[in-house]
Order: sequence, then C-alpha cells, then structure tokens
Amino acid sequence: DTAVSQTPKYLVTQMGNDKSIKCEQNLGHDTMYWYKQDSKKFLKIMFSYNNKELIINETVPNRFSPKSPDKAHLNLHINSLELGDSAVYFCASSRRTSGRPGELFFGEGSRLTVL
Amino acid sequence: AQKITQTQPGMFVQEKEAVTLDCTYDTSDQSYGLFWYKQPSSGEMIFLIYQGSYDEQNATEGRYSLNFQKARKSANLVISASQLGDSAMYFCAMRSWALGFVFGPGTRLSVLP
Repeated sequence: DTAVSQTPKYLVTQMGNDKSIKCEQNLGHDTMYWYKQDSKKFLKIMFSYNNKELIINETVPNRFSPKSPDKAHLNLHINSLELGDSAVYFCASSRRTSGRPGELFFGEGSRLTVL
Repeated sequence: AQKITQTQPGMFVQEKEAVTLDCTYDTSDQSYGLFWYKQPSSGEMIFLIYQGSYDEQNATEGRYSLNFQKARKSANLVISASQLGDSAMYFCAMRSWALGFVFGPGTRLSVLP
C-alpha cells in the first residue's frame, strides 16, 4: 500500500558502473520528481515529469537519464558512476492542480554509495 | 529566482516547550505554496503543514502552526509542546508552477529531556 515506492533502497557499486533506480506511485498523481540529497542534507531537484513529459531538468550531468514509461513510473538511470554521485535519491510525486498546489509525497529514498 | 533561506542550522529546545523554526523565501510569483517537511533520522520525508500565498489565516495542524507574514516573505514553523520524537531535520519548501518544489537547507532540531 506504499504510495510512492522506489527500489532499491540501498545500492553499493564501483566507480564506472551503470545503475538504475525505479520509482512507482499509486496515488494517481500526474507529476513525478527526482531529488538528490547530499551528505549535508541539502535537497536538490534533478528532474520533474508531468504526464510522461519532462518539464524540469536542472543542471545535472547527462550521465543521469530519467525515463517515464507512464505517469505512474519514473526511473533514473545513471551511467559511469562517480564518487560524487554518492547520495540519497528521493522519488516524489504531486498533483498538478489549479488552486491549492498539492504537497509532495516522497518515496523512502535510495542510498547510493559509489566506491 | 526562487530561494528558501533557513538561518538556523541547529536548534535546541526543552521537552514540552514551544520552538520556532525560521524560514524566509524569495519569489516573484503571485501564487505559490509553502510547505514544511520533517526528516527524522530514519530518513523518510514527512509532510507537516501547508500555507497558500492567498490564505488569509495561518495554517495549523495539531501541534504545528505556520506563522505566515507575506509582506516579510516569512513562513516560520511553530511547534508547541515539543516531544522527544520531534528531534529531526526540518525543511521549509516552496512550490511554484515553473520550478516545482524548492527546499531550504534545513534546520536540525534537538529536543532535550
């Protein structure tokens, strides 16, 4: 019954490898996001998709590629992993509505450690 | 540009006392939403409270209230009757239609017994 679920929760890998994190939401939301939380706890938006269309793409290395097969899923693929990619990656979703903007619902986070 | 400032990296409060966590924001949008999230040591992000830019009354949710001063662009979180379980990171965030959700750097609150 988890509203926003992401897998895996923990990922330990070597520099240079490619890895993916999957995210699914069952809330019927039309907007999904990827956030990166660094070691200082700062949360930075990476990407946002609305109805499978990319609407926010912050300054992120092109080694990071989001993919949204449908509006309930937003996956993150990372090529050629670097030490600086070590962080917690949060998937989130929200309603894109007029009037009151909906709050963000977060997944539990995926802790990526690059050795 | 949208920006959220939280000037208190860390705060201490005695159990059962009230505490105010500061948040100021910068935006040129007329319509926006302000949010507070809690992140305990377990890592999940928990939504606490929301304030709309056109809301005339300050938002309240249980022990949480938001002191919204639009002219000063501040949206401080007030936690009444602090509990040990309130020890966590607290993030102020703003939603704009163009940029999605922008977060402040957070305040680490420690509740002392």
